[in-house]
Amino acid sequence: DAGVTQSPTHLIKTRGQQVTLRCSPKSGHDTVSWYQQALGQGPQFIFQYYEEEERQRGNFPDRFSGHQFPNYSSELNVNALLLGDSALYLCASSRQLVNTEAFFGQGTRLTVV
Amino acid sequence: QKEVEQDPGPLSVPEGAIVSLNCTYSNSAFQYFMWYRQYSRKGPELLMYTYSSGNKEDGRFTAQVDKSSKYISLFIRDSQPSDSATYLCAMMGAAGNKLTFGGGTRVLVKP
Repeated sequence: DAGVTQSPTHLIKTRGQQVTLRCSPKSGHDTVSWYQQALGQGPQFIFQYYEEEERQRGNFPDRFSGHQFPNYSSELNVNALLLGDSALYLCASSRQLVNTEAFFGQGTRLTVV
Repeated sequence: QKEVEQDPGPLSVPEGAIVSLNCTYSNSAFQYFMWYRQYSRKGPELLMYTYSSGNKEDGRFTAQVDKSSKYISLFIRDSQPSDSATYLCAMMGAAGNKLTFGGGTRVLVKP
């Protein structure tokens, strides 16, 4: 079982650019959540996707958007990058919206310069 | 004020000691309480979760929840150098669809 896989592992972008991060959930999972973890902080919830729809959203601006595909994989898009968007972006998968046993990927380290 | 507060540490203990970690929270709607371990440059790994108040034990780990005080704890017995990591508490309401994390406590177990 491959677990939750994220790509790429590291990324450097320039302010104002756009970025797309990808996530494949653990086998048997159909729900994907995205979190942002700034250095030295705990993860913060961005949004959750289930049945290809955004089900819940955290306190993040519209520059952050996402998508879930029929195979349950997901993308996180961030437009008009700011220096403050530099963080570890984590994807978590679970079954049917229940996050008591959410499994996290290793994350994508995004650096905005 | 953050919904979940956690002492950032670092907490340094000798090998074999008991590690005691805790979090306080303000949102009385939280029903599920989790502890995650995160090694440097890795994603969080679920250690255990507890529903509502009470204790739960899993091997060397014991989680306690006191909802009346809005206080949760994790104890690690017989600590090993491999337990050196950042420990994150996380909480969730009854709907079970969003985790709210503390800031994490960095633990260092010295041989």
